[in-house]
Amino acid sequence: EAQVTQNPRYLITVTGKKLTVTCSQNMNHEYMSWYRQDPGLGLRQIYYSMNVEVTDKGDVPEGYKVSRKEKRNFPLILESPSPNQTSLYFCASSQGGARGHEQYFGPGTRLTVT
Amino acid sequence: KQEVTQIPAALSVPEGENLVLNCSFTDSAIYNLQWFRQDPGKGLTSLLLIQSSQREQTSGRLNASLDKSSGRSTLYIAASQPGDSATYLCAVGISSGSARQLTFGSGTQLTVLP
Repeated sequence: EAQVTQNPRYLITVTGKKLTVTCSQNMNHEYMSWYRQDPGLGLRQIYYSMNVEVTDKGDVPEGYKVSRKEKRNFPLILESPSPNQTSLYFCASSQGGARGHEQYFGPGTRLTVT
Repeated sequence: KQEVTQIPAALSVPEGENLVLNCSFTDSAIYNLQWFRQDPGKGLTSLLLIQSSQREQTSGRLNASLDKSSGRSTLYIAASQPGDSATYLCAVGISSGSARQLTFGSGTQLTVLP
């Protein structure tokens, strides 16, 4: 089954404790991205990757890091989480190329930073 | 900067009604527009993708239209059912050089009453 998976689905952590949220897709997609969803602000893009070893900032990259060492994986790293990073996080992927392709979303990771 | 607005923010209709959800965007330089459905606590499910060269797309009881020149898209749902209750999000795909991003509206929360 074609899908985007995220782990963990729920995470409660404390300020300053480094964490990683994993994202994996099995569709051989070139393009992957991370979004956060907050009430009243909607979905905002954090980082995206056009292909392996190619990443770039989205609208709200501060406090986050990403890496793309393999095509299927795109982890999101919070080096020193803060309470304002409490949010619902989504990973997405799509085919690459110039033509816009449908984006597929993971089930979400609900992060709480205390 | 691209801004996407969805009106109304919430809508409640009796079962069987036909309904229209609206999405407007400020910059017509888009490469596609995608409608998603989000159920509470779940990820986003893609409903329809319209390329910038297309005027509409249909899938079952759903029909999405796109008018780039006026910066508008509509999602038409025919013969609504309680199972259609969800939040509907539109997202426009924009390109800047080799980068591609989705900008989301804040969504319309639909409730279909049995």
